[in-house]
Amino acid sequence: TQLLEQSPQFLSIQEGENLTVYCNSSSVFSSLQWYRQEPGEGPVLLVTVVTGGEVKKLKRLTFQFGDARKDSSLHITAAQPGDTGLYLCAGDARGSNYKLTFGKGTLLTVNP
Amino acid sequence: EADIYQTPRYLVIGTGKKITLECSQTMGHDKMYWYQQDPGMELHLIHYSYGVNSTEKGDLSSESTVSRIRTEHFPLTLESARPSHTSQYLCASSEYKGGQTNTEAFFGQGTRLTVV
Repeated sequence: TQLLEQSPQFLSIQEGENLTVYCNSSSVFSSLQWYRQEPGEGPVLLVTVVTGGEVKKLKRLTFQFGDARKDSSLHITAAQPGDTGLYLCAGDARGSNYKLTFGKGTLLTVNP
Repeated sequence: EADIYQTPRYLVIGTGKKITLECSQTMGHDKMYWYQQDPGMELHLIHYSYGVNSTEKGDLSSESTVSRIRTEHFPLTLESARPSHTSQYLCASSEYKGGQTNTEAFFGQGTRLTVV
């Protein structure tokens, strides 16, 4: 059973388009993180969301944490080829004893 | 830039050989993790540690073993490598802050292992 479900798994869009990717769980998280990974590298943290209903903006990226702290979304406005990569959400559910678990990721390709 | 290092970066080895993948961090982090990942696919947690002399199995069963004798060092060992072990192995660390369960994980660049 996957603790964190991400959708879509693959996404290929044209430069300039908007997109949203989702991270859902049946478990409650004290916080969720979003990472971006480029080929051949380790993931790099983009943002941590902590409070239910929280919205964080990072330039063209908007992150939202669900009110019940079970889900999160990442919205990218006017995507650019440099946004191409694997987007991963991660968290340690309550009672998980420090395990940091990742979703399967969304592989985003932005075509020029 | 994260101060977490993995060696080797690439390793091609024959079936049956014993290998150790090295991971070191200079940030004094208590929590360390090993993940296994195929290209473009999800990260599977195979081992984690929340301090010296603590090691736990992750969500994905693995024939590898780990040790945590020093805070900064978290090596992963395969006693007898097989082609099914071919994958990328990523090491990560994060700081434990009392009352805050989810702190940023810093990743090494990974070791790409090929067993022939």
